[in-house]
Amino acid sequence: GAVVSQHPSRVICKSGTSVKIECRSLDFQATTMFWYRQFPKQSLMLMATSNEGSKATYEQGVEKDKFLINHASLTLSTLTVTSAHPEDSSFYICSAFPITSGTDTQYFGPGTRLTVL
Amino acid sequence: DAKTTQPPSMDCAEGRAANLPCNHSTISGNEYVYWYRQIHSQGPQYIIHGLKNNETNEMASLIITEDRKSSTLILPHATLRDTAVYYCIVRPFTGTASKLTFGTGTRLQVTL
Repeated sequence: GAVVSQHPSRVICKSGTSVKIECRSLDFQATTMFWYRQFPKQSLMLMATSNEGSKATYEQGVEKDKFLINHASLTLSTLTVTSAHPEDSSFYICSAFPITSGTDTQYFGPGTRLTVL
Repeated sequence: DAKTTQPPSMDCAEGRAANLPCNHSTISGNEYVYWYRQIHSQGPQYIIHGLKNNETNEMASLIITEDRKSSTLILPHATLRDTAVYYCIVRPFTGTASKLTFGTGTRLQVTL
């Protein structure tokens, strides 16, 4: 159980275009999902906290108008990278926290590798 | 969250026990020790967590020193599939969703 999926797994886009990444909890509901970014040979860095039915909370230095987050249901959060540039190329990973877990273990998706040309 | 220190890399022969250390000398009384791992180009995977007692599950064992200033994750019989970056994270148990702060971790290479 506790499976999180991401779509797409890999995307290549042109500079200036927008890319949407989906994060789904497949067998549980999650009011909270987290979005992380990981550059090559670096650790994961939290970008934002996504809350179902409310605005996302962004970490310092993350542009909320560039990285749009929508958490429209208890099983789906989306991250849209608007006007992507080569420096946005990275590995984007989401995690989801089950509502009824009673613990604070969060489950991670497999990641989405974004390459901006 | 308390700061953790891990060796940047370790090697282990397949079939042997892999012992991954973590120092967390500034850990507070309400903070737990969590371990996650990240296999190359995948999302992190939860392994185990503990407060002060040793813990064991199907994946690993966690040994926490009596003063709680350090801990060791033990993979009893390492396989090639255990090659990954292992992250030791110290933070309070909240019972609710809270963010994880990842350090640089230990890159474990399991070899034949």
